Amino acid sequence: AQSVAQPEDQVNVAEGNPLTVKCTYSVSGNPYLFWYVQYPNRGLQFLLKYITGDNLVKGSYGFEAEFNKSQTSFHLKKPSALVGDSALYFCAGRDPGAGGYQKVTFGIGTKLQVIP
Amino acid sequence: NAGVTQTPKFQVLKTGQSMTLQCAQDMNHEYMSWYRQDPGMGLRLIHYSVGAGITDQGEVPNGYNVSRSTTEDFPLRLLSAAPSQTSVYFCASSPTGTGGRYQPQHFGDGTRLSIL
Repeated sequence: AQSVAQPEDQVNVAEGNPLTVKCTYSVSGNPYLFWYVQYPNRGLQFLLKYITGDNLVKGSYGFEAEFNKSQTSFHLKKPSALVGDSALYFCAGRDPGAGGYQKVTFGIGTKLQVIP
Repeated sequence: NAGVTQTPKFQVLKTGQSMTLQCAQDMNHEYMSWYRQDPGMGLRLIHYSVGAGITDQGEVPNGYNVSRSTTEDFPLRLLSAAPSQTSVYFCASSPTGTGGRYQPQHFGDGTRLSIL
């Protein structure tokens, strides 16, 4: 069974410092991986995805993520955090097989707090 | 650009009442799904649909019904509300077909439901 884990409930980082939000996965075959961000009282918004190819994926708002197959990780990163990045971040994985049903598994979310 | 629209945004029910959460999308997406979001549990799939007339259960379907008579609409019905169904409910859509599995989901802003 596929699963996605986010080992940290909360990450605190000072404004201007680099940030990392961790995600590990267990998906059969070659996974499709996604990061979403959720601001208060809003739905999830897509940030970036990994399908195949370059292990470093760039996304919206200056975020990037590194796919590491040997460590089964897909950590979200940003070189310089902004206060406006404070939000809830979700990692998600999709089983690339199994016909037309594209089941997505979400992690439990990591709250990012950027401190001014 | 409306995207995914959910109504109502907030609702308070009494135990035993029934209600329907509405979801509509204007992107001609075939795949639609309902999730509930609870603290510490991430997003859990309730029901999903891969096209008009086709629905199936997710991981937490008990107490909920869905139907999909059109591509645009995917209502979620609570048959007899229970306090355990207090949650934030999100509807999402994405394309299917060739390349669809690579695409992220588009989320509505959620319905916050309290059951007393």
